[in-house]
Amino acid sequence: KAGVTQTPRYLIKTRGQQVTLSCSPISGHRSVSWYQQTPGQGLQFLFEYFSETQRNKGNFPGRFSGRQFSNSRSEMNVSTLELGDSALYLCASSLDGGGTAQYFGPGTRLTVL
Amino acid sequence: TQLLEQSPQFLSIQEGENLTVYCNSSSVFSSLQWYRQEPGEGPVLLVTVVTGGEVKKLKRLTFQFGDARKDSSLHITAAQPGDTGLYLCAGVRNSGYALNFGKGTSLLVTP
Repeated sequence: KAGVTQTPRYLIKTRGQQVTLSCSPISGHRSVSWYQQTPGQGLQFLFEYFSETQRNKGNFPGRFSGRQFSNSRSEMNVSTLELGDSALYLCASSLDGGGTAQYFGPGTRLTVL
Repeated sequence: TQLLEQSPQFLSIQEGENLTVYCNSSSVFSSLQWYRQEPGEGPVLLVTVVTGGEVKKLKRLTFQFGDARKDSSLHITAAQPGDTGLYLCAGVRNSGYALNFGKGTSLLVTP
């Protein structure tokens, strides 16, 4: 099976802009979770989607949003970018989600200038 | 406040040495997972432990889940340069809820 894919791999944006990141899960996986990874805070959970519904949400401002399509592909959007949003954004898929074993993509490295 | 505390934060050892990294919490977890992440890649699942006191072995890696399901350890025997990476523990407190990750232990094994 093909692994989790994320596009783009690298992004450079300026403050105030918005960005959309894409994730294609492993075939058959219905759950997609998004994480933000920074050197200072480590891996922090953003949200989880399961069968097109947001099932869990982390402690991030409303500027961070996501959605899942009927084919389980997911997108994450960050509006009004801030310098502190610079991070590696990781997507992970699993069969049933809810804390079960996660299969991660390679991530999207976002730099906000 | 970090739910899972990992120690040490950094570890640099020579090939052939043994090491143990720890993952501790004051909370009880229904299951705990260990991942390894290499530069430029996403974390890769190594093991999941679900029963208090459980011990799992993966070649030279030994994982243990504490009896009270609040902590875990990863022991590597005769470390090799290929073991270099960021080791992350992650736990779920209740079924259906999201994973909580520790900040990780960055391991460097030099030849």
